[in-house]
Amino acid sequence: AQKITQTQPGMFVQEKEAVTLDCTYDTSDQSYGLFWYKQPSSGEMIFLIYQGSYDEQNATEGRYSLNFQKARKSANLVISASQLGDSAMYFCAMREGLNDYKLSFGAGTTVTVRA
Amino acid sequence: DAGVTQSPTHLIKTRGQHVTLRCSPISGHKSVSWYQQVLGQGPQFIFQYYEKEERGRGNFPDRFSARQFPNYSSELNVNALLLGDSALYLCASSTRVATNEKLFFGSGTQLSVL
Repeated sequence: AQKITQTQPGMFVQEKEAVTLDCTYDTSDQSYGLFWYKQPSSGEMIFLIYQGSYDEQNATEGRYSLNFQKARKSANLVISASQLGDSAMYFCAMREGLNDYKLSFGAGTTVTVRA
Repeated sequence: DAGVTQSPTHLIKTRGQHVTLRCSPISGHKSVSWYQQVLGQGPQFIFQYYEKEERGRGNFPDRFSARQFPNYSSELNVNALLLGDSALYLCASSTRVATNEKLFFGSGTQLSVL
C-alpha cells in the first residue's frame, strides 16, 4: 500500500499568493515523522519542514507551514507569499517508528509560480 | 562548509555493465543513505549506512550493493545493469539516525543505461 499520497500532480500559483500542497499518509505506528522537501530542476532535495507525530503544534519555518491533522492522517504544506524561486517539485515524506531509517516519499507535486 | 557531494554527475552505461557511484557526506555526518529516483516519481530507498554498518536495505535486487568507508564516504555499486536502472541516484547524509533527523541530499548522479 502507498504510504504517502500526493494527489496533485501539478499546480499553478500567482506570485505573492499562498498555495497548499496536499499530503496524506498511512501508518500504524504511533511514532513517526513527516517531512517536506523541495526539488528544483538542479535535482538536489532541499529540506523545508518537519512535523513529529507527537508535536501538538503545527510546524512553521519562515514562509512554510505544515497543516497537521493527525486524525485525518494529513500533513499539508502551505507556502505563503509565493515567489518565482518557489517553482519546483515538492515531496512529502515519512519516517516511521523509532528504528526505521528510511524515508518513504510521495510522487510529488510540481508547483509553477506565475509572475 | 561543503554539502553532500556526489560523483560523477552524469553517467552513460550499456546493459550488462557495472557502475560505481560515489558520495561524500557533510563533514561530521556519520550516516549515509542512497535513494533511486526514476523520472516522474519520488525517491525510493536503497540503503542506509551508519558508522560503516548497513542499517537498512530497501526492496532492491542483490545487483545493488554499497559500503561506507572509515571517512564516512560511501559507494553504491550496481552490477549487470538493466534499462530500468536508468534514474537519478541521490545520496543523503545525516548526523545520526532518529525519527526527526533530517537528511541532507546531494544533487545526484544521473545514470542512463542504453
